[in-house]
Amino acid sequence: GNSVTQMEGPVTLSEEAFLTINCTYTATGYPSLFWYVQYPGEGLQLLLKATKADDKGSNKGFEATYRKETTSFHLEKGSVQVSDSAVYFCALSEYGNKLVFGAGTILRVKS
Amino acid sequence: EAGVVQSPRYKIIEKKQPVAFWCNPISGHNTLYWYLQNLGQGPELLIRYENEEAVDDSQLPKDRFSAERLKGVDSTLKIQPAELGDSAVYLCASSLSRTGDTGELFFGEGSRLTVL
Repeated sequence: GNSVTQMEGPVTLSEEAFLTINCTYTATGYPSLFWYVQYPGEGLQLLLKATKADDKGSNKGFEATYRKETTSFHLEKGSVQVSDSAVYFCALSEYGNKLVFGAGTILRVKS
Repeated sequence: EAGVVQSPRYKIIEKKQPVAFWCNPISGHNTLYWYLQNLGQGPELLIRYENEEAVDDSQLPKDRFSAERLKGVDSTLKIQPAELGDSAVYLCASSLSRTGDTGELFFGEGSRLTVL
């Protein structure tokens, strides 16, 4: 079945550091890929998405590129802020079916 | 615009007691989802509604869990009787259409259940 694997956290960075959170997936076809973020005390919200190979999703300084050859969708940001501290979830959906989430990666940014 | 509203935010019950969670989706969203999120894990789908029809309930433990979405708007998820292993966060989400079309689900803040 479809699955998503994320790097384990927590990831602790200093402000303005470069961020990478790894995500790889397993799917039978060509899924759409997503990053959701959950800030403390809030519900999950969509951060960015990509629907086909080589697409780059971007939002709020975050980027992720859909790499079919490596089945990956790594999340990156050039300079993190304390306000980026949250839990980040990689997810996929295929053929209009349910969203399958990874386990989530906690990001802590220190000032 | 109001987001997805869930209640209660927190619930503590003794095992074998019943519990119910309520969800009000974003106005106009036809698709409603209930997800289960265990500590340290990602959300897992329990049931998906298209309007008032449950179109995917394969992961719902039907011996103790039930859900309904009367009139295709609000939804209720019930557990009876609750077990210790049911302690988790129950998330409700809604979308304009199925995930494959837009991918954007709008989530509520969740209902955290503790079973003692």
